[in-house]
Amino acid sequence: DGGITQSPKYLFRKEGQNVTLSCEQNLNHDAMYWYRQDPGQGLRLIYYSQIVNDFQKGDIAEGYSVSREKKESFPLTVTSAQKNPTAFYLCASSRPATNEKLFFGSGTQLSVL
Amino acid sequence: GENVEQHPSTLSVQEGDSAVIKCTYSDSASNYFPWYKQELGKGPQLIIDIRSNVGEKKDQRIAVTLNKTAKHFSLHITETQPEDSAVYFCAASYASGGSYIPTFGRGTSLIVHP
Repeated sequence: DGGITQSPKYLFRKEGQNVTLSCEQNLNHDAMYWYRQDPGQGLRLIYYSQIVNDFQKGDIAEGYSVSREKKESFPLTVTSAQKNPTAFYLCASSRPATNEKLFFGSGTQLSVL
Repeated sequence: GENVEQHPSTLSVQEGDSAVIKCTYSDSASNYFPWYKQELGKGPQLIIDIRSNVGEKKDQRIAVTLNKTAKHFSLHITETQPEDSAVYFCAASYASGGSYIPTFGRGTSLIVHP
């Protein structure tokens, strides 16, 4: 089955800790994205990557970091600088050259202990 | 940048009624308008989309209309069923450097009562 997989489904962060959310896709998509979802706020773009070894900041990148060393993987690190990290995090991918449609993973709920 | 407004935030209907969700956008360069449905605890899924060279598109019980002049587009669901209950997001995007980066509305929680 082709798809996009996020793990873990639930994650807890302690004060001052960095945590990393995993996102893997086997759709052979070039572009990958990270969105943050808060109740009543819609989906806000954190980072996106159009190709391997390149990524761009979205609207709310402060306190987050990413890497894109492989086409299939786009992990997101929530650093201790992100003071309000509790949210639902969604990863997505697309092949913009042929289709603008985004394929989303099932999300990771991050909570602060 | 693009700004997308979506209304209403919550919509409650009886099974069999129609539901309409409306969105407006600010950037006239936007030319692709998808709608996503998000069920509880899951990621959003594309249900229908429309491009700026088309005024209306239908797929069974759902339809989308676009008014480029007024910069607004709407989702219409007819004969609603309980399984239509979900959060619906509209988005607007345009090609930039080979990518489409959609700006999303805040979402509409649709509740269909049996």
